[in-house]
Amino acid sequence: TQLLEQSPQFLSIQEGENLTVYCNSSSVFSSLQWYRQEPGEGPVLLVTVVTGGEVKKLKRLTFQFGDARKDSSLHITAAQPGDTGLYLCAGAKGPGGSYIPTFGRGTSLIVHP
Amino acid sequence: GAGVSQSPSNKVTEKGKDVELRCDPISGHTALYWYRQSLGQGLEFLIYFQGNSAPDKSGLPSDRFSAERTGGSVSTLTIQRTQQEDSAVYLCASSPGTSGSGRWDEQYFGPGTRLTVT
Repeated sequence: TQLLEQSPQFLSIQEGENLTVYCNSSSVFSSLQWYRQEPGEGPVLLVTVVTGGEVKKLKRLTFQFGDARKDSSLHITAAQPGDTGLYLCAGAKGPGGSYIPTFGRGTSLIVHP
Repeated sequence: GAGVSQSPSNKVTEKGKDVELRCDPISGHTALYWYRQSLGQGLEFLIYFQGNSAPDKSGLPSDRFSAERTGGSVSTLTIQRTQQEDSAVYLCASSPGTSGSGRWDEQYFGPGTRLTVT
């Protein structure tokens, strides 16, 4: 059972376009992380969201945690080729749950110049 | 500071041979995770170490897989009698853990070891 569903699975867009990636679950998480992975490298942490409804911005990237802490979205404005990579979300439960984060399968983004 | 390092970066082995993969976590991180990633796929959890507690081995796919963490630092993942389906990228991550300084849920990954079983 995949506890964290990411959509879309693949995304191929032109430079300058906007996009949104979704991460959905029926479970409640104490926090959620977004990572970006480039070919041949390990995932790199982008952001952690903790509070329901929280919005965090990282330059052209906007992350939102759902009010019920079951889902999250990542919006990229004016995508650039350097945004190309695999975007992974991970949900953490912690005390009373598990210290093993649950990862989604990822969204593979290609931004064409 | 130094990040997570893994060695070797690439390993090609023949079916039936044993392999050892090494992970050096960030100094001071008490938690260490191993994952497996097949081509274009997400991360498959293998094993989790936290301090001196017994490891959580619930993700190991078979008894051919084992891992150790010596002195609360370096970890070795061993795959015995390798099979072709073991071919994947093996990723190690460390985090401050439940007793370290920083968020336990933020993981720092190494570059991975690409294992190819022929």
